[in-house]
Amino acid sequence: IAGITQAPTSQILAAGRRMTLRCTQDMRHNAMYWYRQDLGLGLRLIHYSNTAGTTGKGEVPDGYSVSRANTDDFPLTLASAVPSQTSVYFCASSDSIADTQYFGPGTRLTVL
Amino acid sequence: AQSVTQPDIHITVSEGASLELRCNYSYGATPYLFWYVQSPGQGLQLLLKYFSGDTLVQGIKGFEAEFKRSQSSFNLRKPSVHWSDAAEYFCAVAGYSGGGADGLTFGKGTHLIIQP
Repeated sequence: IAGITQAPTSQILAAGRRMTLRCTQDMRHNAMYWYRQDLGLGLRLIHYSNTAGTTGKGEVPDGYSVSRANTDDFPLTLASAVPSQTSVYFCASSDSIADTQYFGPGTRLTVL
Repeated sequence: AQSVTQPDIHITVSEGASLELRCNYSYGATPYLFWYVQSPGQGLQLLLKYFSGDTLVQGIKGFEAEFKRSQSSFNLRKPSVHWSDAAEYFCAVAGYSGGGADGLTFGKGTHLIIQP
């Protein structure tokens, strides 16, 4: 069982470019999440999805969009990247709020 | 909205000594509380969690945490640390809006340094 996979592992991106971070889970979890991790700030929730077809905004959603067409995939899109979006991005999933969130290995994104 | 405070940014402990990492939360209902550990360059691994019942919960790697509602705290403890425990530790509380899971709110983390 792979758990959660994220792609790419790392990326350097020019400001203004569009970028999609991919996240796939094979645990058939209902809920999925995207967080960004910045030094001194911990992890902050960007967007979440309680089930396929629904999404919600987290603490820092501006500049990001998500979709949840099926249970397994939860891509995060930066429509026009800016340097402040330089961060490490983690995808996570859980069966419900009462369950553990399992995290992917992360994507390190640098926007120049 | 919920919040989590980890008052200690860095903690240095000698190998073999005991450890306590502090966590205070703010949440309007009964909280779901978690401790995660992150080794350098790695993702997050769950150490333990509290949902209900016994307020002293046991986790992996010899860690335990105690939920104290009166103090809004969920401190992590280990009786004897090992050099491999050096990592970043995050306390988190789960949010729930009634429509489902809203994700975790994390503290800013405590960086644990182990002295030989």
